[in-house]
Amino acid sequence: EPEVTQTPSHQVTQMGQEVILRCVPISNHLYFYWYRQILGQKVEFLVSFYNNEISEKSEIFDDQFSVERPDGSNFTLKIRSTKLEDSAMYFCASSPGQGGYTFGSGTRLTVV
Amino acid sequence: AQSVSQHNHHVILSEAASLELGCNYSYGGTVNLFWYVQYPGQHLQLLLKYFSGDPLVKGIKGFEAEFIKSKFSFNLRKPSVQWSDTAEYFCAVNPPTGGFKTIFGAGTRLFVKA
Repeated sequence: EPEVTQTPSHQVTQMGQEVILRCVPISNHLYFYWYRQILGQKVEFLVSFYNNEISEKSEIFDDQFSVERPDGSNFTLKIRSTKLEDSAMYFCASSPGQGGYTFGSGTRLTVV
Repeated sequence: AQSVSQHNHHVILSEAASLELGCNYSYGGTVNLFWYVQYPGQHLQLLLKYFSGDPLVKGIKGFEAEFIKSKFSFNLRKPSVQWSDTAEYFCAVNPPTGGFKTIFGAGTRLFVKA
């Protein structure tokens, strides 16, 4: 069964540092997403990406965040200057369009 | 505000008990509906989905859900739960705003006693 792969599984970073979270979506999927889940809270939409551009983003996805599909297989989320409140589990997902997502196993980001 | 509501935050059942988890959404128009499950220490997995047609949809592991348009509901059911169903269950909606952004409910944590 095809999988969405995320690396690293756990990242610890100091406040103010930049982090890049990496994802390899399913190869024939066209839509890519990032979500986050702060411990004990809802799964929150961050951004969707289609045809090499952001198709939608949430209020959370401010100027500190960016996404990129640098080489046709990877899909990255960059946080430019991390804050304590960015600590969360970040999930990448992909979909062929309509049909529900396949989620990756997540990256637990801890900002200290 | 438009949202997805899950009625119970925590549910505790004994094995073989029947399960029903409530989900209501507040979006008008045509929506796609999903239930996802997150087992302890694992990632989100799709349990079942509804786009159109028969409002009673069957998913994996014996789960089913019923879409009732007039009630804006999509409740998840299982006739007889097992200990291995202990997990967090998320109802989710693609609102009719174009694109395939999914909005998740707050989740229901199910604990099944052996």
